[in-house]
Amino acid sequence: GENVEQHPSTLSVQEGDSAVIKCTYSDSASNYFPWYKQELGKGPQLIIDIRSNVGEKKDQRIAVTLNKTAKHFSLHITETQPEDSAVYFCAASDAGTALIFGKGTTLSVSS
Amino acid sequence: NAGVTQTPKFRILKIGQSMTLQCTQDMNHNYMYWYRQDPGMGLKLIYYSVGAGITDKGEVPNGYNVSRSTTEDFPLRLELAAPSQTSVYFCASSYGSRAGNTIYFGEGSWLTVV
Repeated sequence: GENVEQHPSTLSVQEGDSAVIKCTYSDSASNYFPWYKQELGKGPQLIIDIRSNVGEKKDQRIAVTLNKTAKHFSLHITETQPEDSAVYFCAASDAGTALIFGKGTTLSVSS
Repeated sequence: NAGVTQTPKFRILKIGQSMTLQCTQDMNHNYMYWYRQDPGMGLKLIYYSVGAGITDKGEVPNGYNVSRSTTEDFPLRLELAAPSQTSVYFCASSYGSRAGNTIYFGEGSWLTVV
């Protein structure tokens, strides 16, 4: 089955810096790669996603890149702000039902 | 704008007790899911349902049961609670399972088994 590895587990940046979180997946059949943000005491919320027929997708300060050959995808946050502090999860899914999640990255943005 | 609603928010159980985590969604989604989240371990799928009357096991189903009698409700039953079931439980739903269908999560239920 699918296995998703996520790095780093913790990331501390200064406000205004960029943050990059990387994930690798094992199943070449996976074709959907969402990123979720989880704030303290809340459920995860989708922030951006990418399908396997696209190499990059951007939404304001957030971008995701996908390298299908290498089986890895990354989340890029530019001009970080304190409200970006949260736990971020990557996930991968084939055409089936289950999303397989990475273990999460705790991002801390200090002002 | 209720979305996915879970109850209770917090619960302490004694070893061997049973309980049901309730989940309801008002988005008319066909698919519903139960995940558990342990510190540093991400989210693991326990059970899922593709529609009323249909359920299937996920990655970690042992010690749990589910039912789906209506589109809106998807309760998770813990029988004979064990300390290993101490976790945060998230119910979620989506319109379908095809790639690109957003999964919406509830706010979580914190369960401690002592």
